[in-house]
Amino acid sequence: QQQVKQSPQSLIVQKGGISIINCAYENTAFDYFPWYQQFPGKGPALLIAIRPDVSEKKEGRFTISFNKSAKQFSLHIMDSQPGDSATYFCAASKGDNFNKFYFGSGTKLNVKP
Amino acid sequence: KAGVTQTPRYLIKTRGQQVTLSCSPISGHRSVSWYQQTPGQGLQFLFEYFSETQRNKGNFPGRFSGRQFSNSRSEMNVSTLELGDSALYLCASSNDRVETQYFGPGTRLLVL
Repeated sequence: QQQVKQSPQSLIVQKGGISIINCAYENTAFDYFPWYQQFPGKGPALLIAIRPDVSEKKEGRFTISFNKSAKQFSLHIMDSQPGDSATYFCAASKGDNFNKFYFGSGTKLNVKP
Repeated sequence: KAGVTQTPRYLIKTRGQQVTLSCSPISGHRSVSWYQQTPGQGLQFLFEYFSETQRNKGNFPGRFSGRQFSNSRSEMNVSTLELGDSALYLCASSNDRVETQYFGPGTRLLVL
């Protein structure tokens, strides 16, 4: 059973547009929700993360929106650039199991120039 | 600071063989986690070691094992390799705070 469900599987966005990737989770014990960015041939890199006590977190062009009641969170990439083309993974973990992350299936983002 | 390093980067083995992968965490990081990444199953947690002890374990068969040394370097071993073990094996280290998990480039294992 997949603990974190991610959509869409792939996404094509024009340069300057907004990319939106969604994730949903079932386990209400999860209390840390990071997003990772992975380029081909590289390991995932932490992009931005949120805890359930806030509904939104913004870092530059990247924003996480968190809806605790719906058990959903999303990544918004504003002013998407071709350099943002990568695979994005959402993840979740719970405090009593440090560093045991459950990952979404990934979204391959292609930003067209 | 040097990042997480993994060796070897690529490996080809045949069914039934065993393999050992190595991970050197970022200096000062005591937690090392291992993940298997495949196109079909995505990123799946294997196990986590902290101060030479396995602290967390995923749902993989006993053929997958690991250990951590006193310098925090970690090794992962897979015995009796199966075709389905072909994957990218990623190692991540952290300084024991959940927010700072850093991944290495991975070891790509191909089982023939």
